[in-house]
Amino acid sequence: SQTIHQWPATLVQPVGSPLSLECTVEGTSNPNLYWYRQAAGRGLQLLFYSIGIDQISSEVPQNLSASRPQDRQFILSSKKLLLSDSGFYLCAWSATGGPGNTIYFGEGSWLTVV
Amino acid sequence: AQSVAQPEDQVNVAEGNPLTVKCTYSVSGNPYLFWYVQYPNRGLQFLLKYITGDNLVKGSYGFEAEFNKSQTSFHLKKPSALVSDSALYFCAVRDTDSNYQLIWGAGTKLIIKP
Repeated sequence: SQTIHQWPATLVQPVGSPLSLECTVEGTSNPNLYWYRQAAGRGLQLLFYSIGIDQISSEVPQNLSASRPQDRQFILSSKKLLLSDSGFYLCAWSATGGPGNTIYFGEGSWLTVV
Repeated sequence: AQSVAQPEDQVNVAEGNPLTVKCTYSVSGNPYLFWYVQYPNRGLQFLLKYITGDNLVKGSYGFEAEFNKSQTSFHLKKPSALVSDSALYFCAVRDTDSNYQLIWGAGTKLIIKP
């Protein structure tokens, strides 16, 4: 069966410091990968999605970037964090193919920028 | 533009009573509809989806949803609520016009009282 792992679960970072959140998927190949941010415990905002290595799309302009160094690895980064980057970050995956494919989420990472 | 609406910010139900969490959508083509549940400080869990076929879709934890094309609705239901059903519920529709990403509702907080 497929599993998704996301880490770290929580982190507190000072303003201006770098960020690296990692996500890996097991039990599947060539998945679509996603990074979402959830603010204030409600709305989900798609940050990045990737349909393959070196194929990453950004949905919103921001202080963050994403990379996919391996087929099942997706990394969210920042060179210099802002206070507004605080939030709950969710990695997700889906199989390639039609619009009926389900998106499956990791357990999330709480980021607090101080 | 495609959209999804969850008109209730919060739903309160007594344990043992039936529950309904409402979702309406707007799409230009065939709808691909999803329900997810999120427990506090956790990632989203997939409950069920409608792609085609039977209008009544059954999912995890005893939940079901009824697709109603004429009313453009996809309400989530459960015959008998449990206290453990208390969580945040998200409805989503696939954006088939552009990049096939999920368009998310704002979420409905479900509170089941003993």
